Amino acid sequence: DTGVSQDPRHKITKRGQNVTFRCDPISEHNRLYWYRQTLGQGPEFLTYFQNEAQLEKSRLLSDRFSAERPKGSFSTLEIQRTEQGDSAMYLCASSTHKPPQGTRPYEQYFGPGTRLTVT
Amino acid sequence: EDQVTQSPEALRLQEGESSSLNCSYTVSGLRGLFWYRQDPGKGPEFLFTLYSAGEEKEKERLKATLTKKESFLHITAPKPEDSATYLCAVQAKIYNQGGKLIFGQGTELSVKP
Repeated sequence: DTGVSQDPRHKITKRGQNVTFRCDPISEHNRLYWYRQTLGQGPEFLTYFQNEAQLEKSRLLSDRFSAERPKGSFSTLEIQRTEQGDSAMYLCASSTHKPPQGTRPYEQYFGPGTRLTVT
Repeated sequence: EDQVTQSPEALRLQEGESSSLNCSYTVSGLRGLFWYRQDPGKGPEFLFTLYSAGEEKEKERLKATLTKKESFLHITAPKPEDSATYLCAVQAKIYNQGGKLIFGQGTELSVKP
């Protein structure tokens, strides 16, 4: 079990440029989540996939943001025409579809994050 | 609206000085409450899941408890390596078991030797 991995770990870009981040979930997990975290705040939900289907998107996810999970394995998050307000840590998490017991929630395991700085 | 509030925002302790962190939540039916630890520049690390009022979970110097409106993370005889930000999150029943988490803003804990 290698855990959730994210690439790159750091990205500096100029305003107006497009950026793409990648997330590889834990291998047996079929659910994948994207969150955004700014300094001093908790993570905020952006979107989530079950296999390749995108099941929910937050209102935070403007038209400039798009996420994909084409084969139900890794996922990409693209931000077009970046703005300084997009500067944040972008976190990916994954969870299993096999709950430990009954209707208990699935635990989400996070990757190390991608730190985006827009100059 | 589902909401999570953590207090205090920051807590400074001396090594060995026990204390508690609070997580108050408002949610339309609680499916689960989660505690995570986050070190600077890293992703959150899963600690505990609590499902129903009265439940308790323990791990080393940490003990998490849950009531119908709040959760506490008790830290007994903390060590400097316990310094981190502790995040609380809830998942609402209206979502399926794989639904999103709603996080509080975190409590930044600093333990001095």
